[in-house]
Order: sequence, then C-alpha cells, then structure tokens
Amino acid sequence: EVQLLESGGGLVQAGGSLRLSCTASGFSFRTYGMAWVRQAPGKGLDWVSGIGDSVGESSMYYADSVKGRFTISRDNSKNLLYLQMNSLRPEDTAVYYCARLILTGSHARGYCDSWGQGTLVTVSS
Amino acid sequence: DIVMTQSPDSLAVSLGERATINCKSSQSILYSGNNKNFLAWYQQRPGQPPKLLIYWASTRESGVPDRFSGSESGTDFTLTISSLQAEDVAVYYCQQYHSTPITFGPGTRLEI
Repeated sequence: EVQLLESGGGLVQAGGSLRLSCTASGFSFRTYGMAWVRQAPGKGLDWVSGIGDSVGESSMYYADSVKGRFTISRDNSKNLLYLQMNSLRPEDTAVYYCARLILTGSHARGYCDSWGQGTLVTVSS
Repeated sequence: DIVMTQSPDSLAVSLGERATINCKSSQSILYSGNNKNFLAWYQQRPGQPPKLLIYWASTRESGVPDRFSGSESGTDFTLTISSLQAEDVAVYYCQQYHSTPITFGPGTRLEI
C-alpha cells in the first residue's frame, strides 16, 4: 500500500523558513516523480512544485508564486521528499500535500495518483 | 497559462440520481502524439486529501467505482456520477497537466 506522510509544518513568522518532509513507503520511490500541492484554508488546490524520478531528477518545476523561495529535493536512499521554504509570506499559509506524480512529460508534469494527509503551514504577519 | 473553469460552483443531487460536473480549459490540452487530453479529475471529501478518480480525461483509476465516468469534447470535459451515493459528497476538481504551470479548476461542491 502506498503511504505518504508529511511532517515539518507549523507556525512561522513572515520572512522565516520551514522544511517539509514526506516519507514514502509501499512503492519504489526512486521510479516515480513527486509533487507538492497546497490548499489554503477553505480554498482550492494549488500546484507548488514537482520533481522527476531518479532518471529525470534534475527535472523540477516551481509555480511562479514560489520560484526563488522554495526548493524541492529528494533522497532516494531514504525514500524522502523535501520542500525547503524560505522567505515565507502570509499567503503561503496552507495545508501542504505530498503526492506521487505519474509523469507524462518534461518539467515534472503529470497527475497525482496518491496523496498524503497534508501538513499545515501557518505564516503570521 | 491554461485556465481551468468549472460549472456549476455547487450542485445538489438526490441519492440515486445523476450528477454532472463540467470543466473547460482555456486552450487545447490535447496531445496529438497519442490523441489524449491531459486532464484529471479528483474527489476531495471533507477533511480528506484529494483522491484521483479519472486521468487522460476518461480513464478510471483502479478501484474507483464504475458509476464515475469522464468524457471530453474539444476543450470541454465532463465528470458524471451515474447514481449518486451518500459517500460521493465532496468537492470535485479538474486538473490539466498538458503545460506548466499545472492548473486546477476552482472546484465543484456536490451535496445531497
């Protein structure tokens, strides 16, 4: 069974940093792309970042809203996905979901077939 | 950017009746190489993460009940629930993965 477990969320002041982690199990982590998708309270889904599999690991994508502030990475030896978030803003407040990405093209594009329960990030002003 | 719109914003359907949710992309999301539309549908029940229902516009994910179906016509896409069950109460999102930025529709809330 595919399992994705996010951690690292919390309350941080604007301008601060957080690192989210996602522990994957139940599948061959290195052979899948991965993604972070967020959902602000009471709002819809917002694609944040994606990363390719071990072959296309250099393939990454960032939404314009987080480019230059967030960094996605993965450790295939530990089945871990990360999202380093710097220069956080109040508008980054959201539940951040880790998702397994079925790759369909370049720039870590695809759809998500498994999702974690999410971790809440709250950025205070 | 490709803008995804959905209609209606919310929908109330009686148990056992058909529910239809529409999604429209602002430009073609068809890949001519395989003649497939790069569109997925997700269900998000209250307090839960999203769940994949449909990909490639009409391919049902493994384990998804066959009362869920997806159809397409140009840049118009439809998710149909043939006979609504109580557990189908959720918000439904469409997503295009043809081009970056990957974008979601705003969601359609389905109630009994």
